Amino acid sequence: DIVMAQSPDSLAVSLGERATINCKSSQSVLYNSNNKNYLAWYQQKPGQPPKLLIYWASTRESGVPDRFSGSGSGTDFTLSISSLQAEDVAVYYCQQYYNTPWTFGQGTKVEIK
Amino acid sequence: QLQLQESGPGLVKPSETLSLICTVSGGSISSSSYYWGWIRQPPGKGLEWIGSMYYSGSTYYNPSLKSRVTISLDTSKNQFSLKLSSVTAADTAVYYCARHIDTSGYQPYYFDYWGQGTLVTVSS
Repeated sequence: DIVMAQSPDSLAVSLGERATINCKSSQSVLYNSNNKNYLAWYQQKPGQPPKLLIYWASTRESGVPDRFSGSGSGTDFTLSISSLQAEDVAVYYCQQYYNTPWTFGQGTKVEIK
Repeated sequence: QLQLQESGPGLVKPSETLSLICTVSGGSISSSSYYWGWIRQPPGKGLEWIGSMYYSGSTYYNPSLKSRVTISLDTSKNQFSLKLSSVTAADTAVYYCARHIDTSGYQPYYFDYWGQGTLVTVSS
């Protein structure tokens, strides 16, 4: 199985500041034949299901604010929130879909400082 | 707008079978390009993919659960179901159904629509 490790487990950021979450996979999720990274990011607010934010490591899902961005390749990925808003308080998960079983990171909790 | 809704017993006894149904509205489970999957989340913990199925019958299961899991689709009712046998307390979790995107025709990728989830507690 591909193990996804996120860091940090939690972080507190002031409103309007940048939040950065890291995700590292135990093997590369870059498919060389199409040069795509098989990685997605989700946001889960308390009492709600996860919401897809980003797929192919950097493609924003429709309707997702452009303050959310994804980057990285191979085994190391980052989700950035450029200017944290109160409604961004949530747990964020990365997920690899390079191969089965599809696996998630353990989650990173983002709070307001 | 696609909507998914889980239903089923909230309490299951140890060693029995957990059975859940996901009802899909606003779209057909017979559509190409989509698998239909189940993911669970133990209280206060992370997400675990359980399995996904295509309307043609193609199925993927998590090897860690494969011996106990069955996913099936009822296209006439636009529903899909999960059965997990021989449950223990470790199977206590919120169970989500979700649409699993497959644009390649090779394997599904990420989950773009999720149900609200249903808590299933395993206890005598």
